[in-house]
Parts: sequence; structure tokens; C-alpha cells
Amino acid sequence: ETGVTQSPTHLIKTRGQQVTLRCSSQSGHNTVSWYQQALGQGPQFIFQYYREEENGRGNFPPRFSGLQFPNYSSELNVNALELDDSALYLCASSWRQGRSTEAFFGQGTRLTVV
Amino acid sequence: GDSVTQMEGPVTLSEEAFLTINCTYTATGYPSLFWYVQYPGEGLQLLLKATKADDKGSNKGFEATYRKETTSFHLEKGSVQVSDSAVYFCALSESTGNQFYFGTGTSLTVIP
Repeated sequence: ETGVTQSPTHLIKTRGQQVTLRCSSQSGHNTVSWYQQALGQGPQFIFQYYREEENGRGNFPPRFSGLQFPNYSSELNVNALELDDSALYLCASSWRQGRSTEAFFGQGTRLTVV
Repeated sequence: GDSVTQMEGPVTLSEEAFLTINCTYTATGYPSLFWYVQYPGEGLQLLLKATKADDKGSNKGFEATYRKETTSFHLEKGSVQVSDSAVYFCALSESTGNQFYFGTGTSLTVIP
């Protein structure tokens, strides 16, 4: 059983650029969620994907978008980067059954916007 | 809306001391409750969970009981070790399983 893997682990971007972060979900999981964790804060929900469709979104602007692929891996895209987008981005996978279950988190991607 | 409030940190304890990290929640439905731990430079790891009132989650000597009457899920450990030094997050997930709501985290440092 493989865990949740994210890539890259770190990257630096310039304000105004676009970035794509990737996540491979844990084997057997069909749901992927993305979270933003600013320094010293708890993770904040960005959105969730289930069966390749967005299934819930937090309070993030449309320049945050995502995809889920048939193998349940996922991408997070952020356009027009701002300095405040600097954070740790966490991907979490789970098996959706109706009653909530725990989510398994990846190591995260540390994004720095300069 | 749903939210989680955690005890402010940081917390510094001597090895073998008793640990309590307070967590209270607000939810519209019947959430599941979780404690996650984050070690420096790493992602979140599930520590324990409880899915209904009066359930007790436990793992690695840590315990937390789901108290519906006080809307609380306090984390306890009887004797902490240096290796327990980390940031601890309380979280809830509604029955739809749509998203997790996290507290701001409590940093724990255990000194020998």
C-alpha cells in the first residue's frame, strides 16, 4: 500500500506566475482534497475532488483550480500568484463512503512566492 | 459554521509530565473528531479519531473522548516523551465527509 505523495516538495515562484502542484493519492482511495497551511496556522480547505469532479470548495478565489484524473491522482493550479499564496499545500486522500473517514495527508509542497 | 478552537501554545513540558491539550468545536451536524500530529517539515499524521459521542480514541498512549454535552475533544497523555515534541491539530469532519476543519494547532516541546 503506497501513501500519498506530492511533488515537488519545494518551489519558488514569482508574483504573477502560475504554478501546478501534483498529488498521487493512496492506493484504493477515490477522493482527494487540497489544503493550504500558512505558517503557524491550521490547514484551510481549498477544494475536494471525487470521481473527477469538484465536490466542495472552501473560501478560495477562482484562480485556485484543480483536476482529478481517472487514476485518482490530482493537480492543484494557482494562477496569478500573490505573495500571500506562500504556504505549505497539503493533499489528502480518503475513501468516500458517506460517513466521514480519516484523511491521509502527503508531506506537502512548500510554495514560496517572491 | 463549523469550527474548532484549540488551546493556545506553545506548551513546554518535562519528560514524563502529564499532557492536556484542550479542543472544543462548533458543528451543525454530528461530526467525527480527530487529532492530527505534524512533525517539523512533514505533513499531517492521524493520531486518533472518534466518530460518535462518548467514543474514546486512543493511540501511542494518547487519548481523547468525544464529549457532545461540552462539545469537546481534549487530548491527554499520562507521560510525555521527548519524541512527542510536535504540533498537534484538532479537527472535525461533518457526516458528509466533505472537508476537515482544523484548529490553529498547539506546539508541544518536551524537554529531557
